[in-house]
Amino acid sequence: QLVLTQSPSASASLGASVRLTCTLSSGHRNYAIAWHQVQPERGPRYLMKVNSDGSHTNGDGIPARFSGSSSGAARYLAISSLQSEDEADYYCQTWGTGPREFGGGTKLTVL
Amino acid sequence: QMQVVQSGPEVKKPGTSVKVSCKASGFTFVTSAVQWVRQARGQRLEWIGWIVVGSGKTNYAQKFQERVSITRDTSTSTAYMEVNSLGSGDTALYYCATDDMTTLSWGQGTLVTVSS
Repeated sequence: QLVLTQSPSASASLGASVRLTCTLSSGHRNYAIAWHQVQPERGPRYLMKVNSDGSHTNGDGIPARFSGSSSGAARYLAISSLQSEDEADYYCQTWGTGPREFGGGTKLTVL
Repeated sequence: QMQVVQSGPEVKKPGTSVKVSCKASGFTFVTSAVQWVRQARGQRLEWIGWIVVGSGKTNYAQKFQERVSITRDTSTSTAYMEVNSLGSGDTALYYCATDDMTTLSWGQGTLVTVSS
């Protein structure tokens, strides 16, 4: 069964960096994923696609301080130079020709 | 640039149906896919299903397989999602998103309220 696992919460200080993790279930470690940001009272915003080889492609208008990478079944979203507006929920989602499941989301708090 | 605009808010009674539209522009609709996602207040994003526009092939989350139908009209670059047998648990913001396997764009969301 396809499952994406995310930590429920993360925190980091203003101006610092943080890395969020999304882990694909066994048998699905070659899947590409997308990262989405959901700010409070706003709709989802597409951030990037991350491939199993670690390459990533940012969406239109997404600054370079957002980056992606991979290692085995893990897909990462790194955010540098944290700003207050980065405080949001972050979701990973599979990207392919089958079901496009979401992870449970990580709530990022900027201290 | 990919853009998608959804239809307006809906208020429905339990047991009825709702049909939400998603109009695309700025890209080649027939080479894209459209997915539907919902988010109830305070809850996580929940994937409903998607359609490959060119072939019309659909794929639904098991939870919605019996109650949801996703279709498209290539002549108007519009995708639709119909949900039947609405219950109070279907009250949520419903989003469409289009992608061409390289990038993705979200609609603004459609609030569906189910209330007697």
